[in-house]
Amino acid sequence: GENVEQHPSTLSVQEGDSAVIKCTYSDSASNYFPWYKQELGKRPQLIIDIRSNVGEKKDQRIAVTLNKTAKHFSLHITETQPEDSAVYFCAALKWATNKLIFGTGTLLAVQP
Amino acid sequence: EPEVTQTPSHQVTQMGQEVILRCVPISNHLYFYWYRQILGQKVEFLVSFYNNEISEKSEIFDDQFSVERPDGSNFTLKIRSTKLEDSAMYFCASSEISGAKNEQFFGPGTRLTVL
Repeated sequence: GENVEQHPSTLSVQEGDSAVIKCTYSDSASNYFPWYKQELGKRPQLIIDIRSNVGEKKDQRIAVTLNKTAKHFSLHITETQPEDSAVYFCAALKWATNKLIFGTGTLLAVQP
Repeated sequence: EPEVTQTPSHQVTQMGQEVILRCVPISNHLYFYWYRQILGQKVEFLVSFYNNEISEKSEIFDDQFSVERPDGSNFTLKIRSTKLEDSAMYFCASSEISGAKNEQFFGPGTRLTVL
C-alpha cells in the first residue's frame, strides 16, 4: 500500500549548522513531493515542493532532492536559525490522485 | 494573501453526539480536502471533494463521516455519533487544480475533543 517513511523523528542541530531530513515512498506512481513545516499548534505550511521530472530544487536556505530510482527525497536546510525549529512533514502524491500521504514528521530543534 | 479558514478552532462534544466542522476554502480553488492529525501523529488524508462530489476517500472516512458544500463558500465535515478515537485536529485544505500541480493550502485546524 501507500506509505511514506521519514527519518529522523527528532533532529537537534546548532544554529548555523545544516539539517537533513530524509523520506522514502513506496508507490512508484507518486509524482509530487511537498514538504510542510508545522509550528506548534499551527497549520502545516508548504515550504518547498518538487515534481518527479526534476532532481533538485532550491529556494534560498532550503533545498529538496529527489531520487526516483531509489524512491527517496530529502530536505536540506542550511545555515539553520532558531526560527527553523518546528515539525517538518514530507508527503507524496500519487499520479492522477489528490491524496497526500504524509510521513511521520521530524521535530527539528535548532539550538542558539 | 488568501487563506483557508476554519471554525470553530476548538470543539468539545460528548461521545455519541454529532459535530459539524466548517471550512471556507480559498475563493478560486476548486478542490477541497479534509485531513486529520491525532495528537503527536502524522497528518492523515480523509477525503477529497470536487464538483460537488467526493473524488477520493480513505479507509478512515466511513459511514460516520460526510462532507458537503452547502453554498458557494463553505465546505463542511459532519461526524455522526462521535467516538473517543475521533478526538484529533481536523484540517481543511484546498487547491486550485488537481494532480501534481496542486499545491494544497491548509486551514488552521479545528481541535475536536470527544469526552
